Amino acid sequence: AQTVTQSQPEMSVQEAETVTLSCTYDTSESDYYLFWYKQPPSRQMILVIRQEAYKQQNATENRFSVNFQKAAKSFSLKISDSQLGDAAMYFCAYGGDYGGSQGNLIFGKGTKLSVKP
Amino acid sequence: NAGVTQTPKFRVLKTGQSMTLLCAQDMNHEYMYWYRQDPGMGLRLIHYSVGEGTTAKGEVPDGYNVSRLKKQNFLLGLESAAPSQTSVYFCASRRKTNSGANVLTFGAGSRLTVL
Repeated sequence: AQTVTQSQPEMSVQEAETVTLSCTYDTSESDYYLFWYKQPPSRQMILVIRQEAYKQQNATENRFSVNFQKAAKSFSLKISDSQLGDAAMYFCAYGGDYGGSQGNLIFGKGTKLSVKP
Repeated sequence: NAGVTQTPKFRVLKTGQSMTLLCAQDMNHEYMYWYRQDPGMGLRLIHYSVGEGTTAKGEVPDGYNVSRLKKQNFLLGLESAAPSQTSVYFCASRRKTNSGANVLTFGAGSRLTVL
């Protein structure tokens, strides 16, 4: 079974600085997808970034980028130029290539990010 | 376009009471899911459905039942609520595709407290 581990329950960053959130996963599949979701105090789950395992190039979305190390099964999220609005819970998630049979995501336990002004 | 709508958003129950959470999506998605979120536990899958009239158990199904009588609706029922079911419940949906790339669309969550 696939598992997702986020080893940092809480992180803190100074406004305008850079922070990296860690995520490791375990799977025997060769094709899969990895996601980072943001959950602000409003509770809404917001997709931040997505990475396809067969692509070696790291995904980037504005100030958000990932460091995807397939062999090490590592998928970290880097937030550059941190803003107060980045303060939230961040979840790493794994989506396998299930062939349409189930298609759910497996989530890590989350990292709570605080941004200091 | 409303996306995924959950009702109610908040509910307080007494132990032993029953209730139903409703999830409605207007995107014609085939797949629907119910997750629960507890502090320090992330989101865990309760039940899911891959189409109208079908349901299946997820990681933590005990104490819950579900129904998918219409494609757009996915109901989560608690027959006899227990304090351990105090949680935030999320519904999500996605299109049917042979790929994990398809992104889940989440509802806003429903906070349930069982006293």
